[in-house]
Amino acid sequence: DTGVSQNPRHKITKRGQNVTFRCDPISEHNRLYWYRQTLGQGPEFLTYFQNEAQLEKSRLLSDRFSAERPKGSFSTLEIQRTEQGDSAMYLCASIRGQGSYEQYFGPGTRLTVT
Amino acid sequence: TQLLEQSPQFLSIQEGENLTVYCNSSSVFSSLQWYRQEPGEGPVLLVTVVTGGEVKKLKRLTFQFGDARKDSSLHITAAQPGDTGLYLCAGARGSNYQLIWGAGTKLIIKP
Repeated sequence: DTGVSQNPRHKITKRGQNVTFRCDPISEHNRLYWYRQTLGQGPEFLTYFQNEAQLEKSRLLSDRFSAERPKGSFSTLEIQRTEQGDSAMYLCASIRGQGSYEQYFGPGTRLTVT
Repeated sequence: TQLLEQSPQFLSIQEGENLTVYCNSSSVFSSLQWYRQEPGEGPVLLVTVVTGGEVKKLKRLTFQFGDARKDSSLHITAAQPGDTGLYLCAGARGSNYQLIWGAGTKLIIKP
């Protein structure tokens, strides 16, 4: 069990640029979640996958955000035309499912939009 | 509307003191989890409580799930600087494996 990994750990980009983040979940976990978190707040749900299927996307999520999980393994989160308000920590979590709700988080990607 | 209310939002105390943080809701949860998060890192699961009235202990940390499964508390005895962090509670409802998150309690333990 190598844990959930995320890359990059930090990303600084200029407003208007596109960015892509990667998450590698724990290998036997079939559910994968993306969250956004601002300083001192709890995680805000963005979207989640069961295997390769994207089952739910937050209604608050702009169309500039898109996520994929090809082959049900790693996942990517892309933000197009970034805005300063997108600056946050982006967290990925995975769970085994099958009755377990316990989420295992990666270290996150800190995005700064200048 | 925050479905899970955590209190206090911020707590700063001296090493050696005891403290309790709360996680309250008007909704019933099938289980509730507590996580601790350090700056620049992802949350780390501390415990899951499932049964109403359940008490779980993790060294100096005691977690309790309310009888009605609507609320929970975390009590820390003899707090240490290493306990510093953001404590998050998250409740499970339904079968979609989504969690409802509280906004967290930021805890600072001063040496």
